[in-house]
Amino acid sequence: SAVISQKPSRDICQRGTSLTIQCQVDSQVTMMFWYRQQPGQSLTLIATANQGSEATYESGFVIDKFPISRPNLTFSTLTVSNMSPEDSSIYLCSVEGYRPRDNYGYTFGSGTRLTVV
Amino acid sequence: KNQVEQSPQSLIILEGKNCTLQCNYTVSPFSNLRWYKQDTGRGPVSLTIMTFSENTKSNGRYTATLDADTKQSSLHITASQLSDSASYICVVSASGGSYIPTFGRGTSLIVHP
Repeated sequence: SAVISQKPSRDICQRGTSLTIQCQVDSQVTMMFWYRQQPGQSLTLIATANQGSEATYESGFVIDKFPISRPNLTFSTLTVSNMSPEDSSIYLCSVEGYRPRDNYGYTFGSGTRLTVV
Repeated sequence: KNQVEQSPQSLIILEGKNCTLQCNYTVSPFSNLRWYKQDTGRGPVSLTIMTFSENTKSNGRYTATLDADTKQSSLHITASQLSDSASYICVVSASGGSYIPTFGRGTSLIVHP
């Protein structure tokens, strides 16, 4: 089974609407990370989600636009709110590696390709 | 400011040929460097991780090198296959403090038959 199950894999949304992305991990992890990858760009960290506390957002990202939930140690959601075409991107969740076969590197979900029209 | 620069931005090679991708970084103090492979429409998958004391590490047909003095790394792919077509991302982490790694923009590799 997949280490991280992320869904939806892709979606096309109308501007002004919101989309919630889900990530399920097959083991308990302390921190989960949400990234954005715009076309031709590197991954940019949006926020770090800790269970039982508010998410920590990076510069340029705010909770009203990207609310995050972390109800337990295996699950998190990221919502992209009031979407505009500029939000079209790939969104990825990630956890820090805890398995030798992953070389203890970060493990990523398969990503959500979002297109806002 | 911590930065990771990768070159070339894109590369096209014929199946069976070798190629080398480059990564230069300014992340300090250095903790580790990782190479990831990202297939189109998928999340990145870890290929190798190297710490300060490691100069070279192999994973099948992939061999990564690290020169911590010049802050350079390379990823060498031997006998390329069509399935090697992907984006290869160099990721560098600093020690003591921020756990947030710095990502390169990636090199897009296309292997033609």
